[in-house]
Amino acid sequence: GENVEQHPSTLSVQEGDSAVIKCTYSDSASNYFPWYKQELGKRPQLIIDIRSNVGEKKDQRIAVTLNKTAKHFSLHITETQPEDSAVYFCANSGGCNYKLTFGKGTLLTVNP
Amino acid sequence: DAGVIQSPRHEVTEMGQEVTLRCKPISGHNSLFWYRQTMMRGLELLIYFNNNVPIDDSGMPEDRFSAKMPNASFSTLKIQPSEPRDSAVYFCASSIGTSDQETQYFGPGTRLLVL
Repeated sequence: GENVEQHPSTLSVQEGDSAVIKCTYSDSASNYFPWYKQELGKRPQLIIDIRSNVGEKKDQRIAVTLNKTAKHFSLHITETQPEDSAVYFCANSGGCNYKLTFGKGTLLTVNP
Repeated sequence: DAGVIQSPRHEVTEMGQEVTLRCKPISGHNSLFWYRQTMMRGLELLIYFNNNVPIDDSGMPEDRFSAKMPNASFSTLKIQPSEPRDSAVYFCASSIGTSDQETQYFGPGTRLLVL
């Protein structure tokens, strides 16, 4: 899972709006795509993940989509709330090792 | 389960001193990862172990950094001698370690400041 590009680096939305964060990757062997949320001063925590045999996965207000042909995957948060404010990281892995390659992160701010 | 445990949580030291960071993975997890997080470089993988064996240390910055995993429940990351540019948050994470599609669980991190 080498080289993951994540956009945007910062995102500000109004409470109730949707937020979308996108990542692209280069390694076609990638087959696992987790998203982590990191609140200020805390550890990264998994919020959702998707594997290469699935194109979309949803968990309440959070969804992730995967396009293996285009080598990109996205995080969608609907009905955003102030507590969604955090840094979100995409990552991927695959091939013959267990390591994750992380994007640079997106600072999401949800304004009340 | 207590989750991944790291110590110390904070460390302030002077340039040139040796620093040792400690990690206890989740019981039953066979893979352990050391990351460094800074504003400039983001979250970087330094090294990871599987079944106590170092698998990939390509992220270790230089010879001043070393990591060991003497048994399944303990790992150390050592910096000797430390430099101000080593100041960062160091995270340890663990996973079950049987495939490349597993969740990694992060510890609380060690905030290191080298003066």
